[in-house]
Amino acid sequence: KQEVTQIPAALSVPEGENLVLNCSFTDSAIYNLQWFRQDPGKGLTSLLLIQSSQREQTSGRLNASLDKSSGRSTLYIAASQPGDSATYLCAVYGGATNKLIFGTGTLLAVQP
Amino acid sequence: NAGVTQTPKFQVLKTGQSMTLQCAQDMNHEYMSWYRQDPGMGLRLIHYSVGAGITDQGEVPNGYNVSRSTTEDFPLRLLSAAPSQTSVYFCASRRGGHSTDTQYFGPGTRLTVL
Repeated sequence: KQEVTQIPAALSVPEGENLVLNCSFTDSAIYNLQWFRQDPGKGLTSLLLIQSSQREQTSGRLNASLDKSSGRSTLYIAASQPGDSATYLCAVYGGATNKLIFGTGTLLAVQP
Repeated sequence: NAGVTQTPKFQVLKTGQSMTLQCAQDMNHEYMSWYRQDPGMGLRLIHYSVGAGITDQGEVPNGYNVSRSTTEDFPLRLLSAAPSQTSVYFCASRRGGHSTDTQYFGPGTRLTVL
């Protein structure tokens, strides 16, 4: 059974700092991995999608990497801003279940 | 495009009542899903559909029914509401099962069962 873990559960950083969020998964037979952002009381917004054949994807200040063999992904946020404060979730798609399996998220607070 | 829409945004039910949560998408996506989000448990898949007329169970299907008569709509029915079904419900859609297909989410329905 696919299990997705995100560490840390919560993170507080000062504005301007570079930071890394971690995601690990137990079954490496995935089609892709997505990183989402969720603001309080809102739905999920897709940030980046990495296909299983890719090593990384970039969008603006965000860079996501994928190491399928070790079952790990990282989301790197450069020069963090207070507007980056949100919960970040990773999810893997594929494997035995062919469904999207989510981690429990990292709550990020960027202090001005 | 409106994307994925959900109604209602908030709902309060009494134990034993039934209701339907509505979900619609205007992107002509084949795949649609329902998730519930609970504190400390992340998002868990309730039911999903890979096309009109095709549905299947996810991780936590008990107490919920779905049907998919059109590509656009994927309603979730609570048969007899229980306090354990208090949660935030999200509907999602994706174009298909390809590795490049992104999942899109609706704004959610916050349900309280008393």
